[in-house]
Amino acid sequence: DAGVTQSPTHLIKTRGQQVTLRCSPKSGHDTVSWYQQALGQGPQFIFQYYEEEERQRGNFPDRFSGHQFPNYSSELNVNALLLGDSALYLCASSPGLRAYNEQFFGPGTRLTVL
Amino acid sequence: ILNVEQSPQSLHVQEGDSTNFTCSFPSSNFYALHWYRWETAKSPEALFVMTLNGDEKKKGRISATLNTKEGYSYLYIKGSQPEDSATYLCAFIPPLRSGNTGKLIFGQGTTLQVKP
Repeated sequence: DAGVTQSPTHLIKTRGQQVTLRCSPKSGHDTVSWYQQALGQGPQFIFQYYEEEERQRGNFPDRFSGHQFPNYSSELNVNALLLGDSALYLCASSPGLRAYNEQFFGPGTRLTVL
Repeated sequence: ILNVEQSPQSLHVQEGDSTNFTCSFPSSNFYALHWYRWETAKSPEALFVMTLNGDEKKKGRISATLNTKEGYSYLYIKGSQPEDSATYLCAFIPPLRSGNTGKLIFGQGTTLQVKP
């Protein structure tokens, strides 16, 4: 049973560019959440998708957008990249929207913005 | 703003030592608390989900307690081994009435190094 997978593992972009990160949830999971972890900090919640809709959003600008597909996989898009967007981006999946369900994390995508 | 604080930030112990760390969260706004272990170059792995005041959970040599009235959780590792070296993250979930559907608010983590 494959766990949560993310692609790519590493990415280097320049300021102003756009990036798309991808996530496939654990088998049987229909809810995907995205987190950003900057150096020295804990992961920060970006948004959560369920039934192809954004259900909850953290304090991130509109440059951060996402999508969930019918097979529950998800994309995170970031437009007009800034140096401060350099971080590890984690995807987590869970079964349903119950808040006490443990979340299963992928290995992350390391984004570097030059 | 809901703040989750973990202490200490880092910890170095010898193999065989027992250790504990603290996660502090807003006591007036509680739904659940998660503990995760994050080894270098791997994915964060769930250790415990705690929901009730007084909860005590155990997995092998690792255990956790929860005090929702005073807003803290302790994670204990008995007889630390080198393979316990990792960053330990706690994540707080505020009540569902605030529209939350599983948003995790993480602390900054405690990094444990166990020397053989």
